[in-house]
Amino acid sequence: EDQVTQSPEALRLQEGESSSLNCSYTVSGLRGLFWYRQDPGKGPEFLFTLYSAGEEKEKERLKATLTKKESFLHITAPKPEDSATYLCAVQGSSGGSYIPTFGRGTSLIVHP
Amino acid sequence: KAGVTQTPRYLIKTRGQQVTLSCSPISGHRSVSWYQQTPGQGLQFLFEYFSETQRNKGNFPGRFSGRQFSNSRSEMNVSTLELGDSALYLCASNFGGAAQETQYFGPGTRLLVL
Repeated sequence: EDQVTQSPEALRLQEGESSSLNCSYTVSGLRGLFWYRQDPGKGPEFLFTLYSAGEEKEKERLKATLTKKESFLHITAPKPEDSATYLCAVQGSSGGSYIPTFGRGTSLIVHP
Repeated sequence: KAGVTQTPRYLIKTRGQQVTLSCSPISGHRSVSWYQQTPGQGLQFLFEYFSETQRNKGNFPGRFSGRQFSNSRSEMNVSTLELGDSALYLCASNFGGAAQETQYFGPGTRLLVL
């Protein structure tokens, strides 16, 4: 069974204070690891897809990296508008059924 | 390009009733996935439809069902509602073949069961 564990559950940062969110996973045959951002009362917003260990992707202040066991979402010099819940999900290829498994998320608050 | 549309946005039902939720995916997307999100369980996959066929199914009871129409619009139905069905129901419009490489989520339908 695929599993995703995100840490920390909650993170408070001061504006400009860089940090990283962790996503540890176990999956049979990783097809993709996904990062989403979710604002209160809204659906998740797609950020990145990573496919293989060593891959990195960047978007503005966010950078996602992937190893064989975990992924990190690095936030550089965050701003208050980066406050949101960040979700990680994995999609395996076990049995040919591509059902994604989501983590519980990291709630990020950035104080001005 | 229009995003994913879900209706209704909010719904209040009582135990034992049934409910139907609707989702219109992004134009050109043929795959739609449904999720249930609760504070206790997080985001859980319900099912996925591609070209009117259910392609994947999560671990939910048979009270949860869905369908997809020829225009890719999808509906999900929950029969005999229970208090525990109160949740945010999210629809995702999928782009990228069988691997659902990129999912674009709608705003969700907030269901409250009393």
